[in-house]
Amino acid sequence: DAMVIQNPRYQVTQFGKPVTLSCSQTLNHNVMYWYQQKSSQAPKLLFHYYDKDFNNEADTPDNFQSRRPNTSFCFLDIRSPGLGDAAMYLCATSRGLAGDEQFFGPGTRLTVL
Amino acid sequence: EDKVVQSPLSLVVHEGDTVTLNCSYEVTNFRSLLWYKQEKKAPTFLFMLTSSGIEKKSGRLSSILDKKELFSILNITATQTGDSAVYLCAGGKAAGNKLTFGGGTRVLVKP
Repeated sequence: DAMVIQNPRYQVTQFGKPVTLSCSQTLNHNVMYWYQQKSSQAPKLLFHYYDKDFNNEADTPDNFQSRRPNTSFCFLDIRSPGLGDAAMYLCATSRGLAGDEQFFGPGTRLTVL
Repeated sequence: EDKVVQSPLSLVVHEGDTVTLNCSYEVTNFRSLLWYKQEKKAPTFLFMLTSSGIEKKSGRLSSILDKKELFSILNITATQTGDSAVYLCAGGKAAGNKLTFGGGTRVLVKP
């Protein structure tokens, strides 16, 4: 089945210790997104890639970086996690048509100690 | 700045009841209104509406869009405990790929 896969599902890191979250997709979609979702809040878009074009949100902290080495994979790097970065991180994909539906992966829940 | 507002924030119903969830939007260059269901995991896609006045249905769920008044509703009839979730709506634009999400409505269906 075509799908969006995120690894790991749960990640525990220490304050200030870099962490990388991964996302892969078998949908062959052009666009990949990273969202941060905190408890009882709507998903907040951090950035997205349209093919290799990177689109950063204006309010995404510099602490968050992303890489998309190929169509299938996208990574979220948090360079120095703070306690406030503890959240669910959702990866999503879409075909690239404007206003199109996005398909979400299962998410990675990040805990920062 | 684009904005999507959902109401109510939460509601509690009993099995068999009908619920109506509201979503109002202010999205420049609007193209689409999307509904997602989120249980304790990632959002799953329910509907995408682009045309005003045309109802979309899937089983007990239905949704309609009013582009003049800038809102959408999601109806769930004959609710079941499995309908308990957070329901998110999001606005999509005619250019670009971003969605603006509302804060969600938390629905709890009691047996």
